[in-house]
Amino acid sequence: DQQVKQNSPSLSVQEGRISILNCDYTNSMFDYFLWYKKYPAEGPTFLISISSIKDKNEDGRFTVFLNKSAKHLSLHIVPSQPGDSAVYFCAGGGSGGSNYKLTFGKGTLLTVNP
Amino acid sequence: NAGVMQNPRHLVRRRGQEARLRCSPMKGHSHVYWYRQLPEEGLKFMVYLQKENIIDESGMPKERFSAEFPKEGPSILRIQQVVRGDSAAYFCASSPVVGGTEAFFGQGTRLTVV
Repeated sequence: DQQVKQNSPSLSVQEGRISILNCDYTNSMFDYFLWYKKYPAEGPTFLISISSIKDKNEDGRFTVFLNKSAKHLSLHIVPSQPGDSAVYFCAGGGSGGSNYKLTFGKGTLLTVNP
Repeated sequence: NAGVMQNPRHLVRRRGQEARLRCSPMKGHSHVYWYRQLPEEGLKFMVYLQKENIIDESGMPKERFSAEFPKEGPSILRIQQVVRGDSAAYFCASSPVVGGTEAFFGQGTRLTVV
């Protein structure tokens, strides 16, 4: 039972353009969502989060949008840079009273071409 | 200010042997979480520990797996009688307070069972 789904295994964009990474979820009880970036042989690095009561959060080049009615969130990176090439994981947290447990999607490999 | 330290980075074990994975949390962090990433999958929660206490082990396989976080020293994830299906990347995260948004991940231990 996949509660967090990232349906695109990979995405390729040109440097300077916008990257849009998508995530769908089925669990309405998540209190917050996070995006992580992961390089090969490294651990996930926190990028940006959003509370379930918000619909947008912005931090520099990164913006996360949350559409609760559609159970969908997206991460926008603009402008994209070659150093952004990595696997991006979407995660939901705070479900069922356990605010520490994160449920991850399978990830999307972003490649930014110079 | 070192991050979450995991060792070893790579571990090879023959079927039937024991694997011990160590995690030293960030300074000042008393909450530790273990996650497992199987090939082509997202990270999956295994266990949450505080010093000397297992708080939530709902994600741990019922047999052969155990975890501890002693008063002194690192947290240990122990896998007895390893099988090929245990081959995965095991990530540890720590946080200063309980909560997924505050967690920092280590670089992981890649376990290969041959």
